[in-house]
This record gives sequence, structure tokens and C-alpha cells, in this order.
Amino acid sequence: GDSVTQMEGPVTLSEEAFLTINCTYTATGYPSLFWYVQYPGEGLQLLLKATKADDKGSNKGFEATYRKETTSFHLEKGSVQVSDSAVYFCALNSGGSNYKLTFGKGTLLTVNP
Amino acid sequence: EAQVTQNPRYLITVTGKKLTVTCSQNMNHEYMSWYRQDPGLGLRQIYYSMNVEVTDKGDVPEGYKVSRKEKRNFPLILESPSPNQTSLYFCASSLSGVAKNIQYFGAGTRLSVL
Repeated sequence: GDSVTQMEGPVTLSEEAFLTINCTYTATGYPSLFWYVQYPGEGLQLLLKATKADDKGSNKGFEATYRKETTSFHLEKGSVQVSDSAVYFCALNSGGSNYKLTFGKGTLLTVNP
Repeated sequence: EAQVTQNPRYLITVTGKKLTVTCSQNMNHEYMSWYRQDPGLGLRQIYYSMNVEVTDKGDVPEGYKVSRKEKRNFPLILESPSPNQTSLYFCASSLSGVAKNIQYFGAGTRLSVL
């Protein structure tokens, strides 16, 4: 079945540091890939997405590229801010009949001033 | 404003006392779904609905029921809650048709079953 593996946290960085959160996946066919973010006490918000190989999703300074050859969708940001502190989830939708999102376990990011 | 609204946000109950968590969306989405989030496990799908009167089981449906009588509402029913259903629950909705459709999530309901 489908699965998503993302780096375990927590990740602690200083403001303006470079961020990478690794995500790899296993899926049948050609899944769509997503990064969701969960700020403290809130629901999940879509951060970015990519729907086919070599697509790059980007939003709020975050980027991730759909790499089919390595089955990866790593999240990067060049300079993190305190306000980026949150839990980040990598997810995929392989287009099955139930449109289910398969999530990774989440990575807690804390950015210190 | 487009949104998915869940109620209540927090709920403490006792074993065996029936409860309902409501979910409503104002985007005219066909697809709705319930997930539970547990530490170290990420989010897992409980039930989903492709449209009115069309529901089906997700990965962890045991102990839950749902109904879809109206397009905008998709309540989650726990007829006899047990402590292992203590969790954070999320409702989601999207347009149907393609996997790339964005799913919108509610703010979550934190349930504790004593």
C-alpha cells in the first residue's frame, strides 16, 4: 500500500537558518504530493503541492520538487523565521477511489530567535 | 470565507456515552472525510463520503459511524466511546474527480474518553 516516510523530529533551528525536511514515498501509479503545515492549536493547512514528476511546489518561501526517480519530495526553505515553528506533514494522494491522503508522521520544527 | 467547521473543539466524556462531532463545509464540496491524529502515527482516515448518501470505511473505522444526509454536513458518531478513541479528530473536504484536488481541513476536535 501507499506510505510516506519523513524525517523524525523535532528539528530546532535558529532564525535565518536553512531548512530541509526529508520526505520519501511509496505509491502505485503517479501520486500527487503535498506538504501540509499545522500551527499550534490549529488544523492542517496546505503549504504546497506538486502533481507530476519534476513539478516544483512553492509557497511562503518554502519549496519542494517532485522527484520520481528517487520517490522524494523534500521540503526546503532558505531562511526560516520564528513564525515557521509548526508541525509539517508530507502527504500523498494516489488517486484511489477514496481520494485518501496518506500522511507521514509529521516533523515538529522549532525556530529560535 | 471558505471553511470547514467542526464542533465541539474540545470534548471530555466517559466510556459508553454516545457523542457526535459535527462537521460542516461551505464550499459545496462533494467529498468529505474524517481523520484521527495520534502521536507518532500521523493522520489516519476513519470514514469518507463521495457525495450525499454515499459513505465508506477508511483505514480505521471500528467504533465509528457517519452519515451524509446533506452535502454540507458529515457528522462523526461514536455510539459507545472507549478510551482508545481519545484522539485529535479532523474533518476534511474537497471537490471530487482528481487526486490533485486540495483537501481543506477543519481546526480539529480534541476528544478525551475517560
